Amino acid sequence: GDSVTQMEGPVTLSEEAFLTINCTYTATGYPSLFWYVQYPGEGLQLLLKATKADDKGSNKGFEATYRKETTSFHLEKGSVQVSDSAVYFCALSDRAGGFKTIFGAGTRLFVKA
Amino acid sequence: EAQVTQNPRYLITVTGKKLTVTCSQNMNHEYMSWYRQDPGLGLRQIYYSMNVEVTDKGDVPEGYKVSRKEKRNFPLILESPSPNQTSLYFCASSPGTPGVNEQFFGPGTRLTVL
Repeated sequence: GDSVTQMEGPVTLSEEAFLTINCTYTATGYPSLFWYVQYPGEGLQLLLKATKADDKGSNKGFEATYRKETTSFHLEKGSVQVSDSAVYFCALSDRAGGFKTIFGAGTRLFVKA
Repeated sequence: EAQVTQNPRYLITVTGKKLTVTCSQNMNHEYMSWYRQDPGLGLRQIYYSMNVEVTDKGDVPEGYKVSRKEKRNFPLILESPSPNQTSLYFCASSPGTPGVNEQFFGPGTRLTVL
């Protein structure tokens, strides 16, 4: 079945450092890919998405490119802030999977001032 | 304000005592879903609903029931809770299929089953 694998955390960075959180997937069809962010004590919020190969999603300085050849959707940000400290989830939704959404395990990010 | 609400936010109960967690959205969304979040496992889908009176199993439906009698409400029912259902539960809604549409999440319900 479909699955999402994210790099394990926690990831600890200093403010203004470059961020990469790796995400790879397996899917039977042509899924849409998402990054969600969860701030402490809150529900998840959509950060960005891409619906087809080579699409780049971007929001709030974060970017991720849908790479079909490597089945990846890595999250990047050029300069992180303390306020980016949160848990980040990679997810896919695949019509062939019956509209279920599959989430990765989540990666916790700590940014130090 | 557009939102998904869940009640209660926190619940401690005992094994076997039936409970219901309510979920309501005010965005006229067709799609609604329930997830549980456990450490190291991320979010796993319990049930989802494409529209009124249409529900389907997610990846971990055992021990749960749902109903969708109205578009705005999607309650999660635990007929006989067990300790392995201790978890953080999220309800979500979406204007259409989650394949292309963003899901909007509620604030979560932390359930402890003793």
